[in-house]
Amino acid sequence: EAQVTQNPRYLITVTGKKLTVTCSQNMNHEYMSWYRQDPGLGLRQIYYSMNVEVTDKGDVPEGYKVSRKEKRNFPLILESPSPNQTSLYFCASSLGGSTEAFFGQGTRLTVV
Amino acid sequence: SQQGEEDPQALSIQEGENATMNCSYKTSINNLQWYRQNSGRGLVHLILIRSNEREKHSGRLRVTLDTSKKSSSLLITASRAADTASYFCATDGGSYIPTFGRGTSLIVHP
Repeated sequence: EAQVTQNPRYLITVTGKKLTVTCSQNMNHEYMSWYRQDPGLGLRQIYYSMNVEVTDKGDVPEGYKVSRKEKRNFPLILESPSPNQTSLYFCASSLGGSTEAFFGQGTRLTVV
Repeated sequence: SQQGEEDPQALSIQEGENATMNCSYKTSINNLQWYRQNSGRGLVHLILIRSNEREKHSGRLRVTLDTSKKSSSLLITASRAADTASYFCATDGGSYIPTFGRGTSLIVHP
């Protein structure tokens, strides 16, 4: 089944403790991206990648890192999480530019 | 920055009525997409309309695009309670990665 898999689905952590949210897709998609969703603000793009080893900042990249060492994986790294990074995070992938994006089920992160 | 902005923010209708949501965007696009999100879940693609198309249909969905006004509309005909969800428009902008608006929250009362 074609899918984008994020893990974990829920995470509660403390300020400053490094964490990684994994994202994997099985559709051989070139494009992958991370979004955060906050009430009243919709989805905001954090980082995106158009290919292996090619990543670029979105609208709200501060406090986040990503890597794209393999085509299928695009982890989101929070080196030193802060409470303002409490949010619902989504990973998405697409075949190419300007095509349908497939989303993971989301990771609800709480930083206390 | 968010390219698309949906209007209204919230819409409440009765089952069987039509629901219309609008999207305005700021810069030139290659295409515009509409997505649906059930509460707290991942977004699901509904329909894509290219910049050289004016109207597109998919089942009970009808999407229009007016590039001169930089706007699009999504019409859901004969709505059902199961259509209750948030609806987002997404434009591709310069990065070819979808950029989303804040969404329209639709409630369809049985």
